Amino acid sequence: EPEVTQTPSHQVTQMGQEVILRCVPISNHLYFYWYRQILGQKVEFLVSFYNNEISEKSEIFDDQFSVERPDGSNFTLKIRSTKLEDSAMYFCASMDREASYEQYFGPGTRLTVT
Amino acid sequence: AQTVTQSQPEMSVQEAETVTLSCTYDTSESDYYLFWYKQPPSRQMILVIRQEAYKQQNATENRFSVNFQKAAKSFSLKISDSQLGDAAMYFCAPRGAQKLVFGQGTRLTINP
Repeated sequence: EPEVTQTPSHQVTQMGQEVILRCVPISNHLYFYWYRQILGQKVEFLVSFYNNEISEKSEIFDDQFSVERPDGSNFTLKIRSTKLEDSAMYFCASMDREASYEQYFGPGTRLTVT
Repeated sequence: AQTVTQSQPEMSVQEAETVTLSCTYDTSESDYYLFWYKQPPSRQMILVIRQEAYKQQNATENRFSVNFQKAAKSFSLKISDSQLGDAAMYFCAPRGAQKLVFGQGTRLTINP
């Protein structure tokens, strides 16, 4: 069964460093998402991406964040200058069409900022 | 904007018994879907059940069923014959055109 994959599974970085989280969505999917979950809290929407552009973003997704689909398969989330409060689990998800039932989630990348 | 309230931070149930997790939501969208996701300790998000808001019939998936009350904006999850593997965080999440909006979650413990 097709699945969304994410790398790395765990990333440790120092405050102020740039990180890139990578996702490979399911191949025929058109809609892509990033969510994050701070430990012990709910899952929060960050950004949605369709047709090579951001379709919606949350207040969390400020100028420090960017997304890209560089090669038609990968979908990346970049944090330019990490802060301690960026420590969280980051989930990528994909969906095949707008009227589809389900967003398929990847296993997540745990980001620890020290 | 959508808001989601899961009023039970923790629930516990005896193995083989039935438990109901509550969820209320608010949305301005006329067309939407509703989902329950399960998150075990591995933190993987696993879809449990979905409901289309335009359907009056409540969704059922094996031991999992929902009670969807559209006018009351209520979407509860019933787990029958609870099993040890059901222990997890459960999140209610409505979805409009695209993004999912998650509740705070209910931690479900199964007592053997």
